[in-house]
Amino acid sequence: NAGVTQTPKFQVLKTGQSMTLQCAQDMNHEYMSWYRQDPGMGLRLIHYSVGAGITDQGEVPNGYNVSRSTTEDFPLRLLSAAPSQTSVYFCASSYSGQEKLFFGSGTQLSVL
Amino acid sequence: AQSVSQHNHHVILSEAASLELGCNYSYGGTVNLFWYVQYPGQHLQLLLKYFSGDPLVKGIKGFEAEFIKSKFSFNLRKPSVQWSDTAEYFCAVNVDYGGATNKLIFGTGTLLAVQP
Repeated sequence: NAGVTQTPKFQVLKTGQSMTLQCAQDMNHEYMSWYRQDPGMGLRLIHYSVGAGITDQGEVPNGYNVSRSTTEDFPLRLLSAAPSQTSVYFCASSYSGQEKLFFGSGTQLSVL
Repeated sequence: AQSVSQHNHHVILSEAASLELGCNYSYGGTVNLFWYVQYPGQHLQLLLKYFSGDPLVKGIKGFEAEFIKSKFSFNLRKPSVQWSDTAEYFCAVNVDYGGATNKLIFGTGTLLAVQP
């Protein structure tokens, strides 16, 4: 099994550009989530989904959009990138929101 | 809103020293508690978890954690650390709404450096 796959691993954007971070899992997990990791701030939940067609906001949702059209995929969209969105982004999934999370390898994003 | 506090941001220990990392949470209801570890250059992995039952939980690599409900704490311990334990440790909590999904909230992390 591939587990949780994130692409790209690295990305540099200019302020105002848009992009989509991809996340896919092959474990048939219902629960998927996006976190950003910043030094001294730990992991902060951006958005999460409890199943196809259902998403909800986490702690820091502003500036990000998500959708969940299939069980496998949970893309994160930055509509207009800002320097404050420079971070490492992790996608994670689990069978339910209460179970062990499986993390992707992360996307390091720099916004200039 | 629920929150998770890790008061030790950076801990430096010598090999064979004992470790205790603090974790406190703010929610008063039923919670599920986790410790995750991130080794240098790797992504997070589960160290141990508490859902119910015995409040002393054993995890991988000799780690354990004790849930003390009255203190809203879930401290991580290891009797004797090794150089390979150098990593960042995250406490996380989610609220048990009886099966409905919920948010997993992480603490800010504790960076542990073990000196050989």
